[in-house]
Amino acid sequence: DIVLTQSPALAVSLGQRATISCRASQSVSTSSYNLMHWYQQKPGEQPKLLIYDASNLASGVPVRFSGSGSGTDFTLTINPVQADDIATYYCQQSRELPNTFGAGTKLELK
Amino acid sequence: QVTLKESGPGILQPSQTLSLTCSFSGFLLSASSVNLGWIRQPSGKGLEWLATIGWEDVKHYNPSLKSRLTISKDTSNNQVFLKITSVDTADTGTYYCTHSDYYDTYYGPFAYWGQGTLVTVSS
Repeated sequence: DIVLTQSPALAVSLGQRATISCRASQSVSTSSYNLMHWYQQKPGEQPKLLIYDASNLASGVPVRFSGSGSGTDFTLTINPVQADDIATYYCQQSRELPNTFGAGTKLELK
Repeated sequence: QVTLKESGPGILQPSQTLSLTCSFSGFLLSASSVNLGWIRQPSGKGLEWLATIGWEDVKHYNPSLKSRLTISKDTSNNQVFLKITSVDTADTGTYYCTHSDYYDTYYGPFAYWGQGTLVTVSS
């Protein structure tokens, strides 16, 4: 299985930039796709797709969210952070079955 | 508009079989590239992909649970099912139904999620 590693938590101030990283145990990129996706989950809610294929913004997601990366290293950036962004963020790869998720990064206010 | 809604027993006892139903609308499971699946989340913990079924009835399972899982579909009634045999307390959590697309030879992201159904395994 491809293991995805995320930092457990990140403390940020409102209005500042948040950078959340995800490292894969092997490449999740092909010649055509970077098969890494990002989700936001708030307490008591289902996860919501934010970014697909590493850098594509999902429908309806604010432009302050962006994604980058290829191969084994990927980043989700939120700039500027708003109060509504306090949540847990998960990366997920679909390069290989089984689909796997990172353990999640909890975004907290500093 | 894509909607997914899960239903399940709520509570069941160890060793029983868990049966979950996902009722969906806004798309056809018979349409090319459409896949539905199940993901679970123990309370306060992370996400675990369980199984996926595709428009051509291709099924994929998480190897860690494969012997206990069966995914199936009823295209006429817009439903997908998951059975998990021999449950124990470790199977307690919220179970989500998800929709993903398939492009080239790869699965895409889980673009749509149901609200989830909480399952508790307890004696």
